[in-house]
This record gives sequence, C-alpha cells and structure tokens, in this order.
Amino acid sequence: KAGVTQTPRYLIKTRGQQVTLSCSPISGHRSVSWYQQTPGQGLQFLFEYFSETQRNKGNFPGRFSGRQFSNSRSEMNVSTLELGDSALYLCASSLEGTGSRAFFGQGTRLTVV
Amino acid sequence: DQQVKQNSPSLSVQEGRISILNCDYTNSMFDYFLWYKKYPAEGPTFLISISSIKDKNEDGRFTVFLNKSAKHLSLHIVPSQPGDSAVYFCAAIQGGSEKLVFGKGMKLTVNP
Repeated sequence: KAGVTQTPRYLIKTRGQQVTLSCSPISGHRSVSWYQQTPGQGLQFLFEYFSETQRNKGNFPGRFSGRQFSNSRSEMNVSTLELGDSALYLCASSLEGTGSRAFFGQGTRLTVV
Repeated sequence: DQQVKQNSPSLSVQEGRISILNCDYTNSMFDYFLWYKKYPAEGPTFLISISSIKDKNEDGRFTVFLNKSAKHLSLHIVPSQPGDSAVYFCAAIQGGSEKLVFGKGMKLTVNP
C-alpha cells in the first residue's frame, strides 16, 4: 500500500506570492490533516478535512486555506506569503475515528525569500 | 498555551541501555496519546499509542506509561539502539477530533 505522498518536496517562493501544496492520502483513508513544522513552534495543526469538509481548524490566519477532493486528495494554499511562512508542511492521513493513528507524508519544505 | 510539553530538548544514552522520554500535558480532555519518531527531512513515523483507559502499552522494545493523575506519560525504549537516534514527539488527541496536539520534540542520541 502506498504511503502518503506530498508534492512538491521543495519549493522556493517570493514574499507576496501564493503557493499550493498537494497531498495524496493512503488509499482508503478519508481524513487528511495538515501541519506546519517550524524550529520555534514545533508541529502545529492547520486543518483537517474529511469527505471534502473541513472538520477542524487550527489558529492560523485566513491566508492559509485548504480543500479536499472527492478522491480524498487534498491541497493547501497559502496566499500573500510572508517570510515567517517558511516551514516544513506535513500532511497526514488516517481512517475515520477517534484515536486513529495518523500516517504522515515526507512533507513539503517551503522557503519564502 | 502549550498543552503538551516535552521539557527536555535532548537525551543521550549508551547503546543497550534504557531511554526514557517524558511528556506532560495540561488538558484533561485528552483521551489518546501517541509517540512519533522523526528523522530529518522525513515525516513523523508512528511508534506507539495509549488510550486514557490504560496505564501501560507495550510493543517490542517500546513501552508507554500513562499516569493520568499526574498528566504525565513516558516512553521507554529497551534496549536502545543507534538506529533509535531521532527526534521523538509526544502527541495527544481530544475525543472526537483528529487534531493531534504535539509537544516540541526531544532529540534522542544513542551512542554505540
């Protein structure tokens, strides 16, 4: 079974631009969550999608958005990029249900210059 | 407000000895706890979990202990191996949510 796939692996963008990151979950997984990892803040929850609906949202500004498609693939978008958005963005997929363990992709390393 | 805390940023142990990684939490609504291991440039890998109705869960060399009254959990690795060297994250889930709340991680180094 293929794992969680994130594309691209690395990205360099300029301040003010926007970026879209993609995540393909494990086959059969319907929940997709996104996390931001930075050296100072650690791993922070961005949002979670299930059956194309956002179920949970973390404390991030509205510049961060996402969506999920009918095949469970998900994208996240960051508009008007800031230097502080430089981070490793991780996607995780899981089966529905409390306590289900999440499987993470390798992440997309975004650098904003 | 950090709800999951890993107060020690790093730990160094000798191969073959026990590694004990600690984690504290403040939210009494958390009912499921997980440990993840992370290598540089890779996503976290699930290690072991424990439900709040248990106080111990074991999987091979890994054992997680939960002390609900103290809001404390720990991960024991016995025996430690050089391949265990990585950053370990403690995470918690509140019932009905898929949102993982992570600690800031602890770097474990196992010396040969």
